[in-house]
Amino acid sequence: KQEVTQIPAALSVPEGENLVLNCSFTDSAIYNLQWFRQDPGKGLTSLLLIQSSQREQTSGRLNASLDKSSGRSTLYIAASQPGDSATYLCAVSGNTGKLIFGQGTTLQVKP
Amino acid sequence: AAGVIQSPRHLIKEKRETATLKCYPIPRHDTVYWYQQGPGQDPQFLISFYEKMQSDKGSIPDRFSAQQFSDYHSELNMSSLELGDSALYFCASSLVTTWTYTQYFGPGTRLTVL
Repeated sequence: KQEVTQIPAALSVPEGENLVLNCSFTDSAIYNLQWFRQDPGKGLTSLLLIQSSQREQTSGRLNASLDKSSGRSTLYIAASQPGDSATYLCAVSGNTGKLIFGQGTTLQVKP
Repeated sequence: AAGVIQSPRHLIKEKRETATLKCYPIPRHDTVYWYQQGPGQDPQFLISFYEKMQSDKGSIPDRFSAQQFSDYHSELNMSSLELGDSALYFCASSLVTTWTYTQYFGPGTRLTVL
């Protein structure tokens, strides 16, 4: 059974810092991996999707990497801003497309 | 660009009542997924449909049923509601033929069972 773990559960950093969020999964037979952002009580915004054959994806200040063989992904956020404060969720999918989520990392960026 | 539409956005029900949640996928998307997110928890997969046929099933209670209609919208029917059913219910859609399975999520329906 696929399990997804995110470390740390919470993170507080001063504005401007670069930071890394970690995601690990137990079954390497994934189809893709997605990183989402969720603001309190709100919906899920897809940030980046990495196909199983890819190593990384970049969007603006965000860079996500995938090492399928070791069951790990990282989300790198450069030059963090207070507006980046949110919960970041990692999710993996198999060939039916259903997503299995980690429990998220709650990020607070202090001005 | 059009997004996934869910209705209603908020719903308050009493125990043992019935609720129906609706999801309208992005136009031309052929797959719909339903997820349940309890307070302080990560989203849990309930059920999915591809081209109006059930494609996968997760931890969906027997009290819940769902279907996808000819216009690709989907409905999640929940009967004999329990307090523990209070949660955010998300619908997501994707276009399988792109082979990316990128899922686009709706804003969610917040169900409160009293």
